[in-house]
Amino acid sequence: QLLLQESGPGLVKPSETLSLTCTVSGGSISSRSDYWDWIRQPPGKGLEWIGNIYYSGSTSYNPSLKSRVTISADTSKNQFSLKLNSVTAADTAVYYCARSYDELDYWGQGTLVTVSS
Amino acid sequence: QLVLTQSPSASASLGASVKLTCTLSSGHSTYAIAWHQQQPEKGPRYLMKVKSDGSHSKGDGIPDRFSGSSSGAERYLTISSLQSEDEADYYCQTWGTGIPHVFGTGTKVTVL
Repeated sequence: QLLLQESGPGLVKPSETLSLTCTVSGGSISSRSDYWDWIRQPPGKGLEWIGNIYYSGSTSYNPSLKSRVTISADTSKNQFSLKLNSVTAADTAVYYCARSYDELDYWGQGTLVTVSS
Repeated sequence: QLVLTQSPSASASLGASVKLTCTLSSGHSTYAIAWHQQQPEKGPRYLMKVKSDGSHSKGDGIPDRFSGSSSGAERYLTISSLQSEDEADYYCQTWGTGIPHVFGTGTKVTVL
């Protein structure tokens, strides 16, 4: 059973960088068939895809966030990470990590990140 | 532009059936979609993938009362024998080569 678990600070100050890590168990992020994704959901709103990383290290980002997002992977720890810089209150959301091949088929439980001074 | 359209709400009585619709935008009627369930205060859970030919494949442990189908640009999720725990938001999601993952706006299902 594939399990994903998000971790990172729950509070980030405006203009700073949001950093989250997703730890994967029950599978390898080096798998040639899988992408590893980040998605977010502002309170009371819908889901927004942020971006993903492939085992080769290639990345793809939502054009609306591309200028502020970096996704990277640490295969030795079976983890992948999200950095979102220059955050504002509009970046307050529950952040989820997930796996995809085509569809997103395994999700983490999510972690709430609040942007506030 | 790839857009998924969902009705904001649906309701049905306990034990009855409900059919949710996700409509693909013009020019994308052959795309497969996925359905995800989000119960209150929980993260999304993958339910199934539905292809344009109506075939569907479900995620681990998804009950038989959840099924998928297609007609043209519409993709459906039918929940039979509704139970109280089925009260949730349901999102459709699609993808394509060079196209980022796209979500519908979600349908809130109420069990009466």
